[in-house]
Amino acid sequence: GDSVTQMEGPVTLSEEAFLTINCTYTATGYPSLFWYVQYPGEGLQLLLKATKADDKGSNKGFEATYRKETTSFHLEKGSVQVSDSAVYFCALSASNTGNQFYFGTGTSLTVIP
Amino acid sequence: GAGVSQTPSNKVTEKGKYVELRCDPISGHTALYWYRQSLGQGPEFLIYFQGTGAADDSGLPNDRFFAVRPEGSVSTLKIQRTERGDSAVYLCASSLGQGPYNEQFFGPGTRLTVL
Repeated sequence: GDSVTQMEGPVTLSEEAFLTINCTYTATGYPSLFWYVQYPGEGLQLLLKATKADDKGSNKGFEATYRKETTSFHLEKGSVQVSDSAVYFCALSASNTGNQFYFGTGTSLTVIP
Repeated sequence: GAGVSQTPSNKVTEKGKYVELRCDPISGHTALYWYRQSLGQGPEFLIYFQGTGAADDSGLPNDRFFAVRPEGSVSTLKIQRTERGDSAVYLCASSLGQGPYNEQFFGPGTRLTVL
């Protein structure tokens, strides 16, 4: 079945460090891929998405490229800030699986000044 | 505009009791989803509504769980004979339409604790 495997945390970085959070997926169809973020005390928010192979999603300095050949959607940011501290979830959605999202287990990021 | 709202924000109940969790989606969103998030895990799909009907309930763990959306807007997730293992955060999401391209907007969740 469809699934997402996400890099385990927690991850602790210093401010302005480079961030990569790995995400790989298994899907029988042609999924759309998403990164959601959950800030402390808040609900899940969409960070970025890509709907087909080689698309790059970007938002707030974060980027992720939909790589069909490696079934990956790694999240990157060149210079993290303290305000980026949150839990990040990779997710996929495929029309042949009823439109529900399949989420990874989440990666907790803490950025220290 | 208003986002997805869920009530109550916290619910503590005793084992064996019945609970109802409410979700109010974004106005005009036809698709509504329920997920369950256990500690340290990502959300797990429970059920999906398109309009008033449950289009996919394959994620409901057993027949103690039931959800309705009688007028195609507000939805209620009902859990009978609660068990300690039902303790989790229950998330509701809505989207403008169906299909994998549509962003799902999530509510803040209801934290259910079964004692």
